[in-house]
Amino acid sequence: DAKTTQPNSMESNEEEPVHLPCNHSTISGTDYIHWYRQLPSQGPEYVIHGLTSNVNNRMASLAIAEDRKSSTLILHRATLRDAAVYYCILRDGLTGGGNKLTFGTGTQLKVEL
Amino acid sequence: DVKVTQSSRYLVKRTGEKVFLECVQDMDHENMFWYRQDPGLGLRLIYFSYDVKMKEKGDIPEGYSVSREKKERFSLILESASTNQTSMYLCASSTLAGGTDTQYFGPGTRLTVL
Repeated sequence: DAKTTQPNSMESNEEEPVHLPCNHSTISGTDYIHWYRQLPSQGPEYVIHGLTSNVNNRMASLAIAEDRKSSTLILHRATLRDAAVYYCILRDGLTGGGNKLTFGTGTQLKVEL
Repeated sequence: DVKVTQSSRYLVKRTGEKVFLECVQDMDHENMFWYRQDPGLGLRLIYFSYDVKMKEKGDIPEGYSVSREKKERFSLILESASTNQTSMYLCASSTLAGGTDTQYFGPGTRLTVL
């Protein structure tokens, strides 16, 4: 699986937008970009995924660079409940990466009042 | 909502004991997975199953076995628990293969082996 690089930690104030970056310079043409997050003492949960175009859902938006070598997860209004570790993961669209998710160390997001 | 449940949130066992971790999903998913999560190492895949009675090794299968007798249930077995198997164990399930599938995780079992 192609690798991703994320900052170790980021901080935000409540009700402000948060942009979480991810670099994936070795991404292949069939790789999907997935984001998961893990709240304290819980299992990871799916946030969003995309291939080429920007994507929106009720949780977040995903902005994908034109060359696909980077992407940004956008939380439009951070709340204290968004404090979590956010993981950016590439999944091969042809094989599914053997069906496993390869988690890196992710970005610890801290949200303050 | 998809629900993945794990039999225990916390478990304490002694070295050499046989340990069973149970996972049940209620969405008729074909795929089920067992991961372990350790500080600094992230999540690592132990085993996964894509159908009843089918299993495949993940990245770190040594010391573990699995059982999938029914579609909704996937068990992780530690034949003889050791202290280096102290960890957080996470079960997940998904439908579809390929790049668009979503994995749904249980809350995790924190296992301590003394």
